Amino acid sequence: DQQVKQNSPSLSVQEGRISILNCDYTNSMFDYFLWYKKYPAEGPTFLISISSIKDKNEDGRFTVFLNKSAKHLSLHIVPSQPGDSAVYFCAASEPGTASKLTFGTGTRLQVTL
Amino acid sequence: NAGVTQTPKFQVLKTGQSMTLQCAQDMNHEYMSWYRQDPGMGLRLIHYSVGAGITDQGEVPNGYNVSRSTTEDFPLRLLSAAPSQTSVYFCASSPGLANTGELFFGEGSRLTVL
Repeated sequence: DQQVKQNSPSLSVQEGRISILNCDYTNSMFDYFLWYKKYPAEGPTFLISISSIKDKNEDGRFTVFLNKSAKHLSLHIVPSQPGDSAVYFCAASEPGTASKLTFGTGTRLQVTL
Repeated sequence: NAGVTQTPKFQVLKTGQSMTLQCAQDMNHEYMSWYRQDPGMGLRLIHYSVGAGITDQGEVPNGYNVSRSTTEDFPLRLLSAAPSQTSVYFCASSPGLANTGELFFGEGSRLTVL
C-alpha cells in the first residue's frame, strides 16, 4: 500500500529547460510534504518543503506546488543544471510527526548538455 | 562536521548470521530513525526513536531490533539475517519528532545477505 507515489521512474531534461517531477499521495492525513535529493553512494539531502496550508513554496530555482484536492504535488526546477542529475524523493508526514516521513519510490532526473 | 555517521559502509553476511549496523550523530538530535532503500520501493521506515530509552516500529520492523541507550547512538540489529534483508540502510536524525521534517541522513550501509 504505497501512500506516496512517484509514477515516473526517470526523467531526462536538457540543460536550461524546466524539470517537473510529480508526486501523488493517498493519505488525506498528510499535512507536510518534502522533496529530497540523492546522489549515488550518498544519503538523501533535504531540498524543499511545503505545508498543507500553502499551495506554493519557492527557494531559488526550486518551486514546490501542492494541489490538496487532487492529492498531488510537483517540484519544478528552473533552469535545470547538470548538477541537478540525481534521484528525487517525495516524502510526506502526518500532523505532529513531521520527522516520521513516508517516502515515494523516487524519480531519477538526468539533465543533459 | 561529522553529522550522522554509519558503520560499516559495506557488509556481506551469510543467511542466519547476526550483525549490528551502527549509527551515531553529534547534533544532539532527539529523533533518530532507520530506513531501508530497495529498488522500486523507495525508502521504508524500519524503526524510530523520539529520545533515549524510547523506540517504536515503523513500516517494516520484522527481523530488526533497535535500542537507544544514549542520545547519540541508535544501532540496528539483525538477529538472523535473511536474503530479503539485502538492502541499503540509512540512518537519519532530526531535532524532534514534531520538527520540520528535515532529516539528516548518513551515507548509508550496503548489506548483502547470501
